[in-house]
Amino acid sequence: NAGVMQNPRHLVRRRGQEARLRCSPMKGHSHVYWYRQLPEEGLKFMVYLQKENIIDESGMPKERFSAEFPKEGPSILRIQQVVRGDSAAYFCASSPTGRFKNIQYFGAGTRLSVL
Amino acid sequence: TQLLEQSPQFLSIQEGENLTVYCNSSSVFSSLQWYRQEPGEGPVLLVTVVTGGEVKKLKRLTFQFGDARKDSSLHITAAQPGDTGLYLCAGGLQGGSEKLVFGKGTKLTVNP
Repeated sequence: NAGVMQNPRHLVRRRGQEARLRCSPMKGHSHVYWYRQLPEEGLKFMVYLQKENIIDESGMPKERFSAEFPKEGPSILRIQQVVRGDSAAYFCASSPTGRFKNIQYFGAGTRLSVL
Repeated sequence: TQLLEQSPQFLSIQEGENLTVYCNSSSVFSSLQWYRQEPGEGPVLLVTVVTGGEVKKLKRLTFQFGDARKDSSLHITAAQPGDTGLYLCAGGLQGGSEKLVFGKGTKLTVNP
């Protein structure tokens, strides 16, 4: 029973390039969440998605950031025209439906470095 | 403003000692989770508590949810070097969306 899979584990981009982070939830989970962790900071919520729907994007910057969770395939967090301040660890979590939907299981993260 | 305050931020103890980590808020949570995170890895879920006053035990770890569901504690008995790591509490806000609010974490070092 595979856990939450994120790739790549490490991503290096130059300023102005695009970053695409992928997340496959645990089998049977239909809720996906993205969080960002800056050095010495706690995890900050970015966006919550279900299949083909964005449920809550209150933590995601309005500019340059977007997220999707298509009917088929992984969830994608896309950062356009990256800047040095985007350097962080990005974590994806998934949860099942029903009364346990706020019990979230995390992937190993993608560490984005912007040069 | 940090919604969940964890204390202490750093803790360095000797093997065999006991310790308690605290997670406090002025907000009410529908559930509270404790995670442990190793360097370069994602948070690993240790426990979820949902009922005010609930106590859960996981081997040498004891978790408690406050009666008013605003705070929680993690107590480790006879700490071992393998307990070293970053301990994070995270809460689901009462009446809020499904997102989790995280504390900044307690970095625990257990020296042999």
